[in-house]
Amino acid sequence: EPEVTQTPSHQVTQMGQEVILRCVPISNHLYFYWYRQILGQKVEFLVSFYNNEISEKSEIFDDQFSVERPDGSNFTLKIRSTKLEDSAMYFCASSGEGQVTPLHFGNGTRLTVT
Amino acid sequence: KQEVTQIPAALSVPEGENLVLNCSFTDSAIYNLQWFRQDPGKGLTSLLLIQSSQREQTSGRLNASLDKSSGRSTLYIAASQPGDSATYLCAVGTYNFNKFYFGSGTKLNVKP
Repeated sequence: EPEVTQTPSHQVTQMGQEVILRCVPISNHLYFYWYRQILGQKVEFLVSFYNNEISEKSEIFDDQFSVERPDGSNFTLKIRSTKLEDSAMYFCASSGEGQVTPLHFGNGTRLTVT
Repeated sequence: KQEVTQIPAALSVPEGENLVLNCSFTDSAIYNLQWFRQDPGKGLTSLLLIQSSQREQTSGRLNASLDKSSGRSTLYIAASQPGDSATYLCAVGTYNFNKFYFGSGTKLNVKP
């Protein structure tokens, strides 16, 4: 069964550094998402991406964050000037079009900012 | 803003028991509702998706119901097994596929 793949599985970075989290969504999916889960908290929406542009973003997704689909397969989340509070599990997800297509998640990237 | 609540936060049952997990949401104008399973340190695995026009959906030992008017969904697990031990998350989808709101989850422990 096709799946969403994320790399790396774990990223450690120093405060102030930039990180890029990578995702390969399911190939025929049209909608792409980033969510995050801070330890012990709810999974929370960051951004959705459709037709090569952001379709919606949360208040968390400020100028520190950006997303890109640089080619036909990859979907990236860039976090500039990381802060301690950016430490979380970041999940990429994708879905097809229509009510019948579920949201498929990758296994996540655990980001630790020191 | 949509608020999603799951009760109970944790549940421990002996193997073989039937159980019900609850999810409630504040805004009934939803697109769909999805139940996920999350194992420690892992991603989310989709279990069932209910469209806003449906009342229930079944997969194997799992049955999910949806009552939009009352803002509730339940996940019924029949004949629970130790392998069912995980955190179960409910997520409510908004229109235009753009955003899902998650509950805090129910952590299930099925004892052999």
